[in-house]
Amino acid sequence: DVKVTQSSRYLVKRTGEKVFLECVQDMDHENMFWYRQDPGLGLRLIYFSYDVKMKEKGDIPEGYSVSREKKERFSLILESASTNQTSMYLCASSIGAGYTFGSGTRLTVV
Amino acid sequence: AQKITQTQPGMFVQEKEAVTLDCTYDTSDPSYGLFWYKQPSSGEMIFLIYQGSYDQQNATEGRYSLNFQKARKSANLVISASQLGDSAMYFCAMKRRGSGAGSYQLTFGKGTKLSVIP
Repeated sequence: DVKVTQSSRYLVKRTGEKVFLECVQDMDHENMFWYRQDPGLGLRLIYFSYDVKMKEKGDIPEGYSVSREKKERFSLILESASTNQTSMYLCASSIGAGYTFGSGTRLTVV
Repeated sequence: AQKITQTQPGMFVQEKEAVTLDCTYDTSDPSYGLFWYKQPSSGEMIFLIYQGSYDQQNATEGRYSLNFQKARKSANLVISASQLGDSAMYFCAMKRRGSGAGSYQLTFGKGTKLSVIP
């Protein structure tokens, strides 16, 4: 089975902290994605990457950056966490029409 | 702008009845893909069904079928013989090209919460 692993299920951080959310996939997928999910808003794409070191902004990139130094790992970075970034963050990877999601990281910024 | 619209925030269905979840999309790409995902309360995203824009027949996967009407830009999910375990959030999504070569992204609607009543 393809696995997408997010390093933390729950995370609590303070306002202004630099936060790293890690995602690792084990199936050599080219594409990786970061979404945030909020009630009533569905999943919104933050950033995605279609190759190592290649990244593209999604619909809501403000306040976030990403890093993809190796094919299997895609990191989401909150440079200075704010309370409005409290959310569920989902990572996904894909090849062709097959998308696989991680189990999510629920981030709370206090 | 390319987008996915799910107009039903919540729906109820009687157990063993069929239910249709609506999805309309907007895109100028000639080639795209449409997906439905299920998200139970545990939070995992479960792939249900896929329809390519050039597929001639509507996709089916067990109790799930996708009613694809290209001219109307709709991709409704039909669940036959609803079960209690079908209670979940359902998301429609569209795969479309990004700006980089070989770049694709998946855009989601806001979801429909389905509740199956015994």
